[in-house]
Amino acid sequence: DTGVSQDPRHKITKRGQNVTFRCDPISEHNRLYWYRQTLGQGPEFLTYFQNEAQLEKSRLLSDRFSAERPKGSFSTLEIQRTEQGDSAMYLCASSSTPTSAEQFFGPGTRLTVL
Amino acid sequence: GQQLNQSPQSMFIQEGEDVSMNCTSSSIFNTWLWYKQDPGEGPVLLIALYKAGELTSNGRLTAQFGITRKDSFLNISASIPSDVGIYFCAGRIDRGSTLGRLYFGRGTQLTVWP
Repeated sequence: DTGVSQDPRHKITKRGQNVTFRCDPISEHNRLYWYRQTLGQGPEFLTYFQNEAQLEKSRLLSDRFSAERPKGSFSTLEIQRTEQGDSAMYLCASSSTPTSAEQFFGPGTRLTVL
Repeated sequence: GQQLNQSPQSMFIQEGEDVSMNCTSSSIFNTWLWYKQDPGEGPVLLIALYKAGELTSNGRLTAQFGITRKDSFLNISASIPSDVGIYFCAGRIDRGSTLGRLYFGRGTQLTVWP
């Protein structure tokens, strides 16, 4: 088991462009979470999936953000019309069961919007 | 959203010293977790606590779930240089619309001098 993987690790884009990030959870983990972390802060929850169903979305997830997990395995997070305020580390985590609070994080995708 | 107050914000200690940090909340949490994050990487789970009063160890690390369920503590004994990093507390409420998400503190930056 290789753990949670994220791609790309770094992304630099110009304001107004769209970006998409991918997360591959630990195999057979049915819960997948997205968080955002800015400098000097702890991770902030964005959304999570149980299998392919998106069960909860934070108010941080504006209309420009969309997440999918079409087959209940990997997930993508898309940001449309990026803004400088979107610059952050985007973290993905997975957990094995709905009752388990133990979330295992990937290495993150560092987004810089110029 | 829920606020987790983590202290101290930073610590500078000598190798071999013991370290204590804590996390408090105005709300009751059903689960407390402690993570360590290195620069440019995702958080790594250290310890998870599920019951009020629970004391759990992981090597030189010991964490406690406060009796009031509104706080948690992490101790590191005999610190070594590789303990350097940011330590985050996280909590899960498991109620209503917030089921699943973790709330994080702002972290304690630990520096260990050889």
